[in-house]
Amino acid sequence: LAKTTQPISMDSYEGQEVNITCSHNNIATNDYITWYQQFPSQGPRFIIQGYKTKVTNEVASLFIPADRKSSTLSLPRVSLSDTAVYYCLVGLGNMLTFGGGTRLMVKP
Amino acid sequence: DAEITQSPRHKITETGRQVTLACHQTWNHNNMFWYRQDLGHGLRLIHYSYGVHDTNKGEVSDGYSVSRSNTEDLPLTLESAASSQTSVYFCASSAGDRRQETQYFGPGTRLLVL
Repeated sequence: LAKTTQPISMDSYEGQEVNITCSHNNIATNDYITWYQQFPSQGPRFIIQGYKTKVTNEVASLFIPADRKSSTLSLPRVSLSDTAVYYCLVGLGNMLTFGGGTRLMVKP
Repeated sequence: DAEITQSPRHKITETGRQVTLACHQTWNHNNMFWYRQDLGHGLRLIHYSYGVHDTNKGEVSDGYSVSRSNTEDLPLTLESAASSQTSVYFCASSAGDRRQETQYFGPGTRLLVL
Protein backbone atom coordinates (compact mmCIF):
# COMPACT_ATOMS: atom_id res chain seq x y z
CA LEU A 1 0.00 0.00 0.00
CA ALA A 2 1.50 3.31 -1.07
CA LYS A 3 2.00 5.62 1.84
CA THR A 4 3.75 8.68 3.10
CA THR A 5 5.81 8.37 6.27
CA GLN A 6 7.11 10.98 8.72
CA PRO A 7 8.56 10.82 12.25
CA ILE A 8 5.82 11.18 14.83
CA SER A 9 7.57 13.82 16.90
CA MET A 10 10.73 15.88 17.27
CA ASP A 11 12.13 18.15 19.95
CA SER A 12 14.38 21.13 19.42
CA TYR A 13 15.61 24.28 21.13
CA GLU A 14 15.17 27.87 20.12
CA GLY A 15 17.70 29.01 17.54
CA GLN A 16 18.47 25.54 16.22
CA GLU A 17 17.89 24.29 12.69
CA VAL A 18 15.26 21.56 12.41
CA ASN A 19 15.05 19.03 9.59
CA ILE A 20 11.93 16.91 9.11
CA THR A 21 11.98 14.13 6.54
CA CYS A 22 9.06 12.60 4.68
CA SER A 23 9.35 9.29 2.82
CA HIS A 24 7.19 8.78 -0.26
CA ASN A 25 8.47 5.82 -2.25
CA ASN A 26 5.64 5.82 -4.77
CA ILE A 27 5.29 9.49 -5.57
CA ALA A 28 3.56 10.18 -8.87
CA THR A 29 5.89 11.33 -11.65
CA ASN A 30 4.35 14.74 -12.21
CA ASP A 31 3.37 15.60 -8.68
CA TYR A 32 4.90 18.16 -6.38
CA ILE A 33 5.77 17.82 -2.71
CA THR A 34 4.08 20.27 -0.39
CA TRP A 35 4.54 20.94 3.31
CA TYR A 36 1.95 22.37 5.68
CA GLN A 37 2.03 23.62 9.25
CA GLN A 38 -0.86 23.17 11.67
CA PHE A 39 -1.50 24.80 15.03
CA PRO A 40 -4.08 23.42 17.49
CA SER A 41 -7.71 24.08 16.52
CA GLN A 42 -6.71 25.50 13.13
CA GLY A 43 -6.57 24.20 9.59
CA PRO A 44 -3.20 23.44 8.01
CA ARG A 45 -1.31 26.32 6.45
CA PHE A 46 0.98 26.17 3.40
CA ILE A 47 4.73 26.44 4.07
CA ILE A 48 6.61 25.43 0.93
CA GLN A 49 6.37 23.36 -2.24
CA GLY A 50 8.87 21.84 -4.64
CA TYR A 51 9.37 19.30 -7.40
CA LYS A 52 13.08 18.52 -7.24
CA THR A 53 16.42 19.76 -5.87
CA LYS A 54 16.12 22.67 -3.46
CA VAL A 55 13.51 25.33 -2.89
CA THR A 56 13.81 28.18 -0.41
CA ASN A 57 11.39 30.82 0.73
CA GLU A 58 11.30 33.28 3.61
CA VAL A 59 10.38 30.66 6.22
CA ALA A 60 11.84 27.32 5.13
CA SER A 61 13.85 25.27 2.67
CA LEU A 62 12.84 22.05 0.98
CA PHE A 63 15.40 19.50 -0.16
CA ILE A 64 14.39 16.81 -2.66
CA PRO A 65 16.86 14.18 -3.89
CA ALA A 66 17.03 13.13 -7.51
CA ASP A 67 14.94 9.99 -7.00
CA ARG A 68 12.21 12.06 -5.26
CA LYS A 69 11.43 9.22 -2.86
CA SER A 70 11.85 11.50 0.11
CA SER A 71 11.93 15.16 0.98
CA THR A 72 13.30 17.19 3.89
CA LEU A 73 11.76 20.31 5.31
CA SER A 74 14.36 22.54 6.93
CA LEU A 75 13.38 25.24 9.40
CA PRO A 76 16.29 27.57 10.19
CA ARG A 77 16.67 28.99 13.69
CA VAL A 78 13.33 27.84 15.10
CA SER A 79 11.47 29.84 17.72
CA LEU A 80 8.83 28.86 20.27
CA SER A 81 6.13 29.89 17.79
CA ASP A 82 7.27 27.14 15.41
CA THR A 83 5.86 24.55 17.80
CA ALA A 84 3.24 22.86 15.62
CA VAL A 85 2.50 19.76 13.59
CA TYR A 86 4.10 19.58 10.14
CA TYR A 87 2.65 17.56 7.29
CA CYS A 88 3.97 16.59 3.88
CA LEU A 89 1.49 16.17 1.03
CA VAL A 90 2.29 14.20 -2.11
CA GLY A 91 0.46 12.56 -4.96
CA LEU A 92 0.53 8.77 -4.79
CA GLY A 93 -1.17 7.27 -7.81
CA ASN A 94 -4.52 8.94 -8.29
CA MET A 95 -4.70 10.50 -4.88
CA LEU A 96 -3.17 13.26 -2.84
CA THR A 97 -1.95 11.80 0.44
CA PHE A 98 -0.86 13.53 3.62
CA GLY A 99 1.82 12.06 5.82
CA GLY A 100 0.86 11.28 9.40
CA GLY A 101 2.36 14.53 10.62
CA THR A 102 5.40 15.39 12.76
CA ARG A 103 4.78 17.13 16.06
CA LEU A 104 7.61 19.61 16.61
CA MET A 105 8.18 20.90 20.11
CA VAL A 106 10.52 23.88 20.41
CA LYS A 107 11.88 24.43 23.90
CA PRO A 108 13.41 27.60 25.36
CA ASP B 1 -11.12 39.48 1.90
CA ALA B 2 -11.62 36.12 0.25
CA GLU B 3 -11.94 33.22 2.62
CA ILE B 4 -13.11 29.68 3.22
CA THR B 5 -15.68 29.02 5.92
CA GLN B 6 -17.16 25.91 7.46
CA SER B 7 -20.39 25.47 9.38
CA PRO B 8 -21.25 24.42 11.93
CA ARG B 9 -17.98 24.61 13.85
CA HIS B 10 -19.22 22.04 16.35
CA LYS B 11 -21.92 19.42 15.94
CA ILE B 12 -23.30 16.65 18.14
CA THR B 13 -25.57 14.09 16.52
CA GLU B 14 -26.90 10.61 17.08
CA THR B 15 -26.06 7.39 15.33
CA GLY B 16 -28.15 6.90 12.19
CA ARG B 17 -28.98 10.54 11.56
CA GLN B 18 -28.12 12.31 8.34
CA VAL B 19 -25.69 15.19 8.82
CA THR B 20 -24.51 17.82 6.35
CA LEU B 21 -21.40 19.91 6.87
CA ALA B 22 -21.13 23.09 4.85
CA CYS B 23 -18.06 24.50 3.13
CA HIS B 24 -18.08 27.85 1.34
CA GLN B 25 -15.19 29.62 -0.37
CA THR B 26 -15.10 33.06 -1.92
CA TRP B 27 -11.87 32.68 -3.91
CA ASN B 28 -13.63 31.29 -6.98
CA HIS B 29 -11.34 28.24 -6.75
CA ASN B 30 -12.00 25.31 -9.06
CA ASN B 31 -10.81 22.64 -6.65
CA MET B 32 -12.34 21.73 -3.32
CA PHE B 33 -11.50 18.96 -0.86
CA TRP B 34 -12.85 17.35 2.29
CA TYR B 35 -10.55 15.73 4.85
CA ARG B 36 -11.03 14.14 8.21
CA GLN B 37 -8.44 14.32 10.94
CA ASP B 38 -8.12 11.72 13.68
CA LEU B 39 -5.43 11.09 16.24
CA GLY B 40 -2.90 8.68 14.82
CA HIS B 41 -4.10 9.08 11.23
CA GLY B 42 -3.30 12.65 10.27
CA LEU B 43 -5.42 14.08 7.46
CA ARG B 44 -7.26 11.65 5.20
CA LEU B 45 -9.01 12.63 1.99
CA ILE B 46 -12.74 11.91 1.87
CA HIS B 47 -13.96 13.45 -1.39
CA TYR B 48 -12.74 16.08 -3.80
CA SER B 49 -14.00 18.11 -6.72
CA TYR B 50 -12.15 19.75 -9.61
CA GLY B 51 -15.11 21.81 -10.80
CA VAL B 52 -18.87 22.19 -10.88
CA HIS B 53 -20.64 18.82 -11.18
CA ASP B 54 -17.32 16.97 -10.73
CA THR B 55 -16.86 14.77 -7.65
CA ASN B 56 -14.34 12.05 -6.85
CA LYS B 57 -13.85 9.56 -4.04
CA GLY B 58 -10.88 9.84 -1.77
CA GLU B 59 -9.16 7.41 0.54
CA VAL B 60 -12.01 7.16 3.08
CA SER B 61 -15.21 7.90 1.17
CA ASP B 62 -17.49 5.14 2.50
CA GLY B 63 -20.49 6.63 4.31
CA TYR B 64 -19.95 10.12 2.87
CA SER B 65 -21.23 11.95 -0.19
CA VAL B 66 -20.69 15.34 -1.80
CA SER B 67 -22.25 17.36 -4.59
CA ARG B 68 -20.91 20.42 -6.40
CA SER B 69 -23.70 22.53 -7.85
CA ASN B 70 -21.73 25.79 -7.92
CA THR B 71 -18.14 26.97 -7.61
CA GLU B 72 -18.37 28.27 -4.05
CA ASP B 73 -19.84 25.32 -2.13
CA LEU B 74 -19.03 21.66 -1.47
CA PRO B 75 -21.33 20.27 1.25
CA LEU B 76 -20.34 16.97 2.84
CA THR B 77 -23.18 14.62 3.81
CA LEU B 78 -22.98 11.73 6.22
CA GLU B 79 -25.85 9.56 5.05
CA SER B 80 -26.28 7.66 8.33
CA ALA B 81 -23.87 8.87 10.98
CA ALA B 82 -21.79 6.28 12.79
CA SER B 83 -19.64 6.63 15.90
CA SER B 84 -16.58 5.90 13.75
CA GLN B 85 -17.27 9.18 11.96
CA THR B 86 -16.58 11.20 15.09
CA SER B 87 -13.72 13.39 13.91
CA VAL B 88 -12.59 16.86 12.94
CA TYR B 89 -13.48 17.68 9.35
CA PHE B 90 -11.55 20.15 7.22
CA CYS B 91 -12.54 21.64 3.93
CA ALA B 92 -9.93 23.08 1.57
CA SER B 93 -9.83 24.77 -1.82
CA SER B 94 -7.22 25.47 -4.45
CA ALA B 95 -7.02 27.31 -7.75
CA GLY B 96 -5.82 26.21 -11.13
CA ASP B 97 -5.77 22.95 -12.99
CA ARG B 98 -2.77 21.36 -11.30
CA ARG B 99 -3.92 19.08 -8.53
CA GLN B 100 -1.25 20.27 -6.17
CA GLU B 101 -1.85 23.95 -6.28
CA THR B 102 -1.65 25.36 -2.74
CA GLN B 103 -4.65 24.32 -0.68
CA TYR B 104 -6.30 26.80 1.65
CA PHE B 105 -8.02 25.23 4.61
CA GLY B 106 -11.09 26.18 6.56
CA PRO B 107 -11.17 26.31 10.38
CA GLY B 108 -12.66 22.82 10.72
CA THR B 109 -15.86 21.25 12.05
CA ARG B 110 -15.70 19.09 15.14
CA LEU B 111 -18.32 16.32 14.88
CA LEU B 112 -19.34 14.01 17.69
CA VAL B 113 -21.59 11.05 16.89
CA LEU B 114 -23.22 9.51 19.96
